[in-house]
Amino acid sequence: DAGVIQSPRHEVTEMGQEVTLRCKPISGHDYLFWYRQTMMRGLELLIYFNNNVPIDDSGMPEDRFSAKMPNASFSTLKIQPSEPRDSAVYFCASSLGGDQPQHFGDGTRLSIL
Amino acid sequence: DAKTTQPTSMDCAEGRAANLPCNHSTISGNEYVYWYRQIHSQGPQYIIHGLKNNETNEMASLIITEDRKSSTLILPHATLRDTAVYYCIVRVAGIGAGSYQLTFGKGTKLSVIP
Repeated sequence: DAGVIQSPRHEVTEMGQEVTLRCKPISGHDYLFWYRQTMMRGLELLIYFNNNVPIDDSGMPEDRFSAKMPNASFSTLKIQPSEPRDSAVYFCASSLGGDQPQHFGDGTRLSIL
Repeated sequence: DAKTTQPTSMDCAEGRAANLPCNHSTISGNEYVYWYRQIHSQGPQYIIHGLKNNETNEMASLIITEDRKSSTLILPHATLRDTAVYYCIVRVAGIGAGSYQLTFGKGTKLSVIP
């Protein structure tokens, strides 16, 4: 079975540009999570969805960050405008049930110059 | 969520069992112990979880002490591909926003040596 698929794997862009990260969860999973990983702060939960509805976005750092899940097989995390401090690895994870193990994609390594 | 304490790093000879300890002395009765690992340049990978009984799957075994204050993840026959950072996470069971976040600490860097 295919795991969580994220794209792109790497993104390098200039400050001020819009960045869109994409995620396809495991088929049938009803929870989707977006995390950010940095050396300084480790892995942080940004937002999660249940049945395509955002449930908790308290981890989203600023209004520059937004996430959508238009259907059960696709989610996006958008940063507009991007800043150098947004540079990190962004992971998407999904689970079958909120209290079940989360399965992660391989992440998008984002570099904002 | 209760905090966990893990050794910073460990070495294990290839083919031998790797035993990774974790202390979670403030764990509550409704909190599970989860183990994940992260291989370089990949996302965290779920390994195993348990509440109070020992658990085994195709990847590993999880031994939880009777008082639940510590646990050990056992990789029975470590291979070079098991070299990774291993995270022990305590997580509230059940439904609710606070129970869904996985709080990763610094983990244990396991090096499997040929």
